[in-house]
Amino acid sequence: GPKVLQIPSHQIIDMGQMVTLNCDPVSNHLYFYWYKQILGQQMEFLVNFYNGKVMEKSKLFKDQFSVERPDGSYFTLKIQPTALEDSAVYFCASSLGGSSAETLYFGSGTRLTVL
Amino acid sequence: SQWGEENLQALSIQEGEDVTMNCSYKTYTTVVQWYRQKSGKGPAQLILIRSNEREKRSGRLRATLDTSSQSSSLSITGTLATDTAVYFCATDRQGGRALIFGTGTTVSVSP
Repeated sequence: GPKVLQIPSHQIIDMGQMVTLNCDPVSNHLYFYWYKQILGQQMEFLVNFYNGKVMEKSKLFKDQFSVERPDGSYFTLKIQPTALEDSAVYFCASSLGGSSAETLYFGSGTRLTVL
Repeated sequence: SQWGEENLQALSIQEGEDVTMNCSYKTYTTVVQWYRQKSGKGPAQLILIRSNEREKRSGRLRATLDTSSQSSSLSITGTLATDTAVYFCATDRQGGRALIFGTGTTVSVSP
């Protein structure tokens, strides 16, 4: 089936540093998402993105977070500066359409550890 | 919170048994999607049921939706060890685009 690739699978950084998480979405998909998961628990919605713009974001999407997808390249989540509470697994997803009835295709996640 | 009585629970069963997991939600939704997440992987969609449907089947899966009680269930018949995973329901919170996930039910199927 369609695959979403996330790079890297693990990232360890010091608190206060910047980190960029990369996502290669399904090739013909137009909508992109980031979710945060702590300790295998609830998948927390962060943001969705379409046509170069943030469509919706949650309270977890702090000012230190930003997303972009320059010219069809990776869809990225940047955190600057990082905080200890940012440690989690971040999942990228993509979908063809933007309604809630669309299937989200998820990557395998990037485990971020902030020391 | 989107969620009422959480679907947070852990179930341990033997291969071949049937299992049902439940989820309840507080805010009207136009769809309920069920996803499965295996260890070390991202969630994968299993089934989608719309607010005008009461039941949906796909292979060994059966989803129900009761909009009056704002609850949904997912049943798996004849479980296999490969069904071991965390199962999430997800809703759209009054028709918004964002899919909001519940806390998940951990299902462990022993061979």
